[in-house]
Amino acid sequence: GAVVSQHPSRVICKSGTSVKIECRSLDFQATTMFWYRQFPKQSLMLMATSNEGSKATYEQGVEKDKFLINHASLTLSTLTVTSAHPEDSSFYICSASFRGIDTGELFFGEGSRLTVL
Amino acid sequence: QKEVEQDPGPLSVPEGAIVSLNCTYSNSAFQYFMWYRQYSRKGPELLMYTYSSGNKEDGRFTAQVDKSSKYISLFIRDSQPSDSATYLCAMAREGNEKLTFGTGTRLTIIP
Repeated sequence: GAVVSQHPSRVICKSGTSVKIECRSLDFQATTMFWYRQFPKQSLMLMATSNEGSKATYEQGVEKDKFLINHASLTLSTLTVTSAHPEDSSFYICSASFRGIDTGELFFGEGSRLTVL
Repeated sequence: QKEVEQDPGPLSVPEGAIVSLNCTYSNSAFQYFMWYRQYSRKGPELLMYTYSSGNKEDGRFTAQVDKSSKYISLFIRDSQPSDSATYLCAMAREGNEKLTFGTGTRLTIIP
């Protein structure tokens, strides 16, 4: 089946630094990818929709200058957490659609756990 | 009120039992209904997908959608310890790939 890969799976950084997380669709082209955030024992909250070749669409309350999203190709989207702070520590997960919602084939990456010290 | 409500559990059942997981929702525009399984520190894995109302069966798993009641269910038959995970319901509107998730139910199958 289709696979979505995230890297790194875990990252620890110091407060004030920036961290980049990559999301790749390994065997299909994804014009749209989604970035979610999940706090411990809580559900996934959509942060933004990443569109290939255009600006990302952010959900209400998500700081676009803090969470930079780039979707440079049909197989790669990146999330950069800029000037990270401890409250940004979370589990970040991306998803990509294989053949559209009509098929239900919306696949998730393995997630990236960010810890900001 | 949240758009999607799901009992977070935890839910513990003995091996072999039938498990029933449920979600309710308030947005009548939802047309796509999914169940995901998430193991600790992993991404969600799609289990079942249903469009509009009805039942769908896949092996030991059965998904039911009752749009009139805004209620969806996932049944797991002959539960196994390997089924221990968090189960998330998710929903989307027609032609829209943005998913709205429930909080997830943490399930433990006791050997």
